[in-house]
Amino acid sequence: EAGVAQSPRYKIIEKRQSVAFWCNPISGHATLYWYQQILGQGPKLLIQFQNNGVVDDSQLPKDRFSAERLKGVDSTLKIQPAKLEDSAVYLCASSLLRSYGETQYFGPGTRLLVL
Amino acid sequence: AQSVTQPDIHITVSEGASLELRCNYSYGATPYLFWYVQSPGQGLQLLLKYFSGDTLVQGIKGFEAEFKRSQSSFNLRKPSVHWSDAAEYFCAVVFEGGATNKLIFGTGTLLAVQP
Repeated sequence: EAGVAQSPRYKIIEKRQSVAFWCNPISGHATLYWYQQILGQGPKLLIQFQNNGVVDDSQLPKDRFSAERLKGVDSTLKIQPAKLEDSAVYLCASSLLRSYGETQYFGPGTRLLVL
Repeated sequence: AQSVTQPDIHITVSEGASLELRCNYSYGATPYLFWYVQSPGQGLQLLLKYFSGDTLVQGIKGFEAEFKRSQSSFNLRKPSVHWSDAAEYFCAVVFEGGATNKLIFGTGTLLAVQP
């Protein structure tokens, strides 16, 4: 079974530029998550999708971050404009269901450096 | 507030020695409990999880964890550490009651293994 795919793996941009990350979840997984992991911290949930609908985006900085999952499969996370503090690893995860405790499978992440 | 604490930021053990990584949570009821491992440049891999039942849980790679309700703890153990176990370990929980399956992570424990 193929795992969660993410691209690009690395990205370096200057502040105020825009950037987009792509995620392809495990086939058949209805729930998709984006986490932000700042150096020295644990991952923090940015947004959770159930199929193509948003379940939780309470910690997404909506003035600069946006995410979509138009066909309920792939997802894109965008930052515009980027700030220095956005430097982090962006992890995508998926789970079969959205039930409490459902196992989440993580991709390798996209490491973003904002200069 | 709901939280997860991993009191040890960094631990060094000798190869072949035993290991225990600590995790405590703050919550009124028993959450869903997880341990993930993150190797350099990799995503998070699930080691084990606990929902209910037997408080000693077996996971992959020879790891186990014990849930202690009285101490609000879920410590990870391994009887004999291998050099390949060097990585960062995250304890995570899902708290019931919200609308999501959001994982709340501790800050992680970085494990170094000496030859």
